[in-house]
Amino acid sequence: QSALTQPASVSGSPGQSITISCTGASSDIGGYNYVSWYQQHPGKAPKLVIYGVSNRPSGVSNRFSGSKSGSTASLTISGLQAEDEADYYCCSYTSTTIYVFGTGTEVTVL
Amino acid sequence: QVQLQESGPGLVKPSGTLSLTCVVSGDSITSDNWWSWVRQPPGKRLEWIGETYHSGITNYNPSFKSRVTMSLDESKNEFSLRLSSVTAADTAVYYCGRGSDYVYDYRGQGTLVTVSS
Repeated sequence: QSALTQPASVSGSPGQSITISCTGASSDIGGYNYVSWYQQHPGKAPKLVIYGVSNRPSGVSNRFSGSKSGSTASLTISGLQAEDEADYYCCSYTSTTIYVFGTGTEVTVL
Repeated sequence: QVQLQESGPGLVKPSGTLSLTCVVSGDSITSDNWWSWVRQPPGKRLEWIGETYHSGITNYNPSFKSRVTMSLDESKNEFSLRLSSVTAADTAVYYCGRGSDYVYDYRGQGTLVTVSS
């Protein structure tokens, strides 16, 4: 199972919105609404920010939103803040009953 | 508040077996949840290793399938990872997590395992 494809880096100015894409296949993202997104700050464990394509866990800012079209999922961060600077990973359930992570995206706040 | 804490040797010799334990507090290992391990080599992406359920069901990433074993210890409320025939490529931070309804939360702080002689 190959990793899901994400852009290596995305940047934006404070207050702007950015979108991170995550491209897979019909055997993972395209076949299931089980896409999660994780935020990871340096040296820290990954933190769940979106699950089930577009649901936010309790305590996660509503500036984070998720969507899916076909085999591509997206994470949008609106009103970008300095604290959003981190690595972001998508993750999807797959037809072989395992999970696969994305290649990871480094978000930089300019 | 559920807490997970990984523990195990920080250094393993090549061709040896990596053994890690995740102690669970705030939830029962026999609850309706899955228990998982992921890892992250230095400077690289997250990699899903596998998951286990208290009924004994396990699902492993085929990339590890011949080397990995996951198990639960109900008496200690913990679950474990064993990875055999390790090489330098298995050097990584290993995280444990809890999941249900196809969603995983990795609450452990992670533990670095280095494979070196």
